[in-house]
Amino acid sequence: DAKTTQPTSMDCAEGRAANLPCNHSTISGNEYVYWYRQIHSQGPQYIIHGLKNNETNEMASLIITEDRKSSTLILPHATLRDTAVYYCIVRVSNSGYALNFGKGTSLLVTP
Amino acid sequence: DVKVTQSSRYLVKRTGEKVFLECVQDMDHENMFWYRQDPGLGLRLIYFSYDVKMKEKGDIPEGYSVSREKKERFSLILESASTNQTSMYLCASSLQGISYEQYFGPGTRLTVT
Repeated sequence: DAKTTQPTSMDCAEGRAANLPCNHSTISGNEYVYWYRQIHSQGPQYIIHGLKNNETNEMASLIITEDRKSSTLILPHATLRDTAVYYCIVRVSNSGYALNFGKGTSLLVTP
Repeated sequence: DVKVTQSSRYLVKRTGEKVFLECVQDMDHENMFWYRQDPGLGLRLIYFSYDVKMKEKGDIPEGYSVSREKKERFSLILESASTNQTSMYLCASSLQGISYEQYFGPGTRLTVT
């Protein structure tokens, strides 16, 4: 699985868009980008994933650069409940079973 | 909604005790997983199961065993608990063909004294 690099922490004002970056410069052609988050005292929660096209669901949008070496998770209108650690994971779609979460980005949404 | 439940949120056991952590999912998922989460180390896979009675070792299986007698239930067993097994234990499940989309339980914080 390709290695990912994320900032350790970020702040965002409530109601604003939260843009969380992830670098994955060694990503290979058949590897997907997955995003999870973990709210304090809860288990991780799947958010979204993509291969090369931008994706959107009810939780977030995922923007992947054309060279696929980086991506950005966008929470369009962050709320206090979005305060969590966000993990960017890169792997082949169904290779193995484990998810390698890494250290993630701690997002603090402030009032 | 998928629901994954774990038998306890908090558990305190003594060194040498046999410990059972239970996980139940209600969405008929084939895959089930046990992870532990420690500060600075992230989530690490202990064991997973892709079918009833089937199991595979993850990255850190030493000191643990698992049991899957029914599709909805996956148990993690600490045969003889040790203090270095103090951790947050997380159970997850997924459909067979979609192992990247895992649904997690709330976790069990185990303290071994």
